[in-house]
Amino acid sequence: SQQGEEDPQALSIQEGENATMNCSYKTSINNLQWYRQNSGRGLVHLILIRSNEREKHSGRLRVTLDTSKKSSSLLITASRAADTASYFCATARSNYKLTFGKGTLLTVNP
Amino acid sequence: GAVVSQHPSWVICKSGTSVKIECRSLDFQATTMFWYRQFPKQSLMLMATSNEGSKATYEQGVEKDKFLINHASLTLSTLTVTSAHPEDSSFYICSAEPGTSGTDTQYFGPGTRLTVL
Repeated sequence: SQQGEEDPQALSIQEGENATMNCSYKTSINNLQWYRQNSGRGLVHLILIRSNEREKHSGRLRVTLDTSKKSSSLLITASRAADTASYFCATARSNYKLTFGKGTLLTVNP
Repeated sequence: GAVVSQHPSWVICKSGTSVKIECRSLDFQATTMFWYRQFPKQSLMLMATSNEGSKATYEQGVEKDKFLINHASLTLSTLTVTSAHPEDSSFYICSAEPGTSGTDTQYFGPGTRLTVL
């Protein structure tokens, strides 16, 4: 069954605005990861947050994890046109297998 | 560091032929590699886990006789789509797990787009 579910499915914002994407999952996890995929390309790893962490930052990215609600959010601040891509959350259990969500298509308009 | 390559980046083949896709970890050894497929505008679905020197573990619903996986060395895994049909057309992506203690990050290749005519 699909583990991660991103919300919203699509998001369109103006350059400079913040973008927030959410991810919900169903089972216990070892860690949760966020990836970016430009159209027709491979995945770029953005950030990993472990099950015992609540918040993590990397540059303009901020990820939160609420294991009690089985949810995570990815915030991209001061968005740029180059941030236009699909964003996926992926959950990992102890065997390192990743289960991907359906993704959020982010469009940042110049 | 941690670069994964795939070859070819795209391939077009006739129905009934077999296609081999290579996945290489360029600057690290990968005891475990994963193969995913992605249909247009959809998510990645794990097909199989490839372990160096042993048989691959396939996910439920994935035909192991159709999608042959060989992990011959610590830097190379291959996926062969046998007797390809148009419904096998998809984007195939591999990832590699460095296997270093405490490292949970998988590194993804750029993907291979397969079109079966």
